[in-house]
Order: sequence, then structure tokens, then C-alpha cells
Amino acid sequence: EAQVTQNPRYLITVTGKKLTVTCSQNMNHEYMSWYRQDPGLGLRQIYYSMNVEVTDKGDVPEGYKVSRKEKRNFPLILESPSPNQTSLYFCASSTDYNSPLHFGNGTRLTVT
Amino acid sequence: GDSVVQTEGQVLPSEGDSLIVNCSYETTQYPSLFWYVQYPGEGPQLHLKAMKANDKGRNKGFEAMYRKETTSFHLEKDSVQESDSAVYFCALSDRGDSGNTGKLIFGQGTTLQVKP
Repeated sequence: EAQVTQNPRYLITVTGKKLTVTCSQNMNHEYMSWYRQDPGLGLRQIYYSMNVEVTDKGDVPEGYKVSRKEKRNFPLILESPSPNQTSLYFCASSTDYNSPLHFGNGTRLTVT
Repeated sequence: GDSVVQTEGQVLPSEGDSLIVNCSYETTQYPSLFWYVQYPGEGPQLHLKAMKANDKGRNKGFEAMYRKETTSFHLEKDSVQESDSAVYFCALSDRGDSGNTGKLIFGQGTTLQVKP
């Protein structure tokens, strides 16, 4: 089944403790992207990747890192999480940036 | 920078009512336009799209016309059903003069709650 898989679905952590949210897709998509969803703000793009080893900042990249060493994986790294990073995070992929996105089911992160 | 603004908050029609959810965009380039729908507990999924001016996207009785002159992409349906209840996002992808920018901009989302 074609899908984007994020893990974990839920994560509660404390300020400053490094964490990684994994994202994997099995559709051989070149384009991958991370979004955060907050009430009243919609979906805001954090980082995106047009292909392996090619990443770029979206609109809200501060406090996040990403890597794209393989086509299928695009992890989101929070080196020192803070409470303002409490949010619902989505990974998405598509054939190219102009094609419809396939989203994962989300990771709800709480930073205390 | 690029932006998308859509009908704020909640829309509460009754089953059988007509619907318009407004979406306006700002960009200096040549975007493709999308509507995504999100059901509870799931990620958004593509609802319909239009790739250039005067294209009309259609899906499950919904329509949206890409209007370059008014920079709008309003979502319309003649008769809503309870099963249409969800959050709807308008979005644009920025093509750019120098090639693909890779940026996708979403509106803030509109919650459609159809009363039975």
C-alpha cells in the first residue's frame, strides 16, 4: 500500500531533550516536506527536499533540522525542543513539488 | 511573500444548503492551486486542483475555478451532505520565473460542519 509513515504518533518530552521524528515513504517520490499545524494558522512549511541531499527552508525552519540521505526517508530533528514547538506535525511526499501531496497521519508533539 | 487567505473559522450549513468557501491568494508568480481536505485523526488529502488560469477543479460535487483576474480559488458546492464535514485547506505552489521553488503555502483552514 502506498503510504507515508511517521513515527511516533504521539510524543511528550521535556525542554532541551533532543528528539527525532521519522518519516518514510514507499512511493519513490522525489519531493518530501514537513509541516506543522496549529489552530488558526493552518499548515506551515518547515523544511522541504526536492531530492536526495537537497533540502531547503520553508517558512518556519527555526529550531528544526532535516536530512535527506536516502530517497525514502526524511527525518525531522529537534536539537533542543522548546514549548513553542508543541504542535501537530505532518510529513508529506509527492512526485514533484507541483504534484499533489501524500500526507502521513501526523505526530502530536508536546514539549513541557 | 506569497500568501493564501480563506474563509475563517467554522461554516455551519444545513444538509442540502449551497456552499462557498472563499480563498484568495497573493503571489508574484504563476501558482498551481489546490484544495485539501482533512478528516479527524488523519493527514490532509488532495480534494481538487487547478494548474493554470481558467482551469476548474472538480471532485465529489465540489468545484473551484482558478481566477487569475481576481486571484481567487473559491470552493463551491450546490448541495452539501453531512459526510462533507471536515477541515478544508486552500493551497498554492509557487512555480517562479527561475524554476521550481518547492514552496507550498496553505491557508489557515476552514472547518465545515454540516447540520443534519
